[in-house]
Amino acid sequence: GQQLNQSPQSMFIQEGEDVSMNCTSSSIFNTWLWYKQDPGEGPVLLIALYKAGELTSNGRLTAQFGTTRKDSFLNISASIPSDVGIYFCAGTYAGNNRKLIWGLGTSLAVNP
Amino acid sequence: EAGVTQFPSHSVIEKGQTVTLRCDPISGHDNLYWYRRVMGKEIKFLLHFVKESKQDESGMPNNRFLAERTGGTYSTLKVQPAELEDSGVYFCASSPGTYYEQYFGPGTRLTVT
Repeated sequence: GQQLNQSPQSMFIQEGEDVSMNCTSSSIFNTWLWYKQDPGEGPVLLIALYKAGELTSNGRLTAQFGTTRKDSFLNISASIPSDVGIYFCAGTYAGNNRKLIWGLGTSLAVNP
Repeated sequence: EAGVTQFPSHSVIEKGQTVTLRCDPISGHDNLYWYRRVMGKEIKFLLHFVKESKQDESGMPNNRFLAERTGGTYSTLKVQPAELEDSGVYFCASSPGTYYEQYFGPGTRLTVT
């Protein structure tokens, strides 16, 4: 079945640093979503992208829908300790209805 | 506005027993989804309801899993009989009629021993 490759798998950074992570697919996606999961909680939607090339921000977070429609990127600027968690990319492609295909997640640790 | 709620938060059962998970979506959301994350693997789709109808159940592992959404409100997912490989975190999500954005509950952690 369809899979998403998300990288890096984990990151350990200093507070104040910028963070980048990305997700790639083997086929064209028509929707990309970025979620964050805290321990013991469900994924929380951060940003939704619907058009190739679209760049959307949510506070210090910025995500882009790749122009090839096979990738997406998430950047976090000036990281703070509460950014700690697991970040997931997810998406849908034509013909799979609305079921989300997920990456394995990027675990982010921030050193104060 | 209340978010998606799930019950129970944790369940530990023995192989062969039955467990029923419940999900209450955000009020007014016609779409309800079940997903599962097995340790070390990605979150995987199980099924999708539109109101009380099953729109897509292509992700259901086998016939030991039964999902219902009576009256188009809350949903239940029953596993009978449970097997060891059913252990994982079961998430429920909901979305409004025409949107792809899905809002998740906190999950139910199921452990089958």
